[in-house]
Amino acid sequence: GEDVEQSLFLSVREGDSSVINCTYTDSSSTYLYWYKQEPGAGLQLLTYIFSNMDMKQDQRLTVLLNKKDKHLSLRIADTQTGDSAIYFCAEDGGKLIFGQGTELSVKP
Amino acid sequence: DADVTQTPRNRITKTGKRIMLECSQTKGHDRMYWYRQDPGLGLRLIYYSFDVKDINKGEISDGYSVSRQAQAKFSLSLESAIPNQTALYFCATSDRIGLEQFFGPGTRLTVL
Repeated sequence: GEDVEQSLFLSVREGDSSVINCTYTDSSSTYLYWYKQEPGAGLQLLTYIFSNMDMKQDQRLTVLLNKKDKHLSLRIADTQTGDSAIYFCAEDGGKLIFGQGTELSVKP
Repeated sequence: DADVTQTPRNRITKTGKRIMLECSQTKGHDRMYWYRQDPGLGLRLIYYSFDVKDINKGEISDGYSVSRQAQAKFSLSLESAIPNQTALYFCATSDRIGLEQFFGPGTRLTVL
């Protein structure tokens, strides 16, 4: 069945790079997404990647997709305290299937 | 004003009570969704609606029902609330392409 897996926690120091990893199971997904949830708020789309791409870069964000291994990652360069949030990956096999979310903690 | 609003934002109720959570949107989207969020489990889809006459069960629909009163309104009901329905509930919308979902601020429901 469909399943999206993420580690639950990541802690980094301000200025370092953060890498959040995700594995998914539905190879028919057209898009894969990263959503961000700030404390006390709903989710907001951060970025997405089309399934025929290997990489997408958007300012400090880099998304890498390895279709063979069904592995998706989100790299945040120069991580700031404002990046502290829960990050969800999601696959789109007709409807969104979310991972458990990775709580990113950025220490000054 | 927020594009997707949810009422109430917080609710504490007792086991066996009927509860309705409401969602309204001003984005003009056809598609609406209800999710629940539990720590360590992420978001799970309860019900979704692709238009006013289309209602579909999601991953965890047991114990819940929905009503799509209009394009802009989608409500979630718990007919007889139980403690394991304590969670954060989110409504979301998307257009027909469905590339991005827009989330409301959430309703924190506690069932005692």
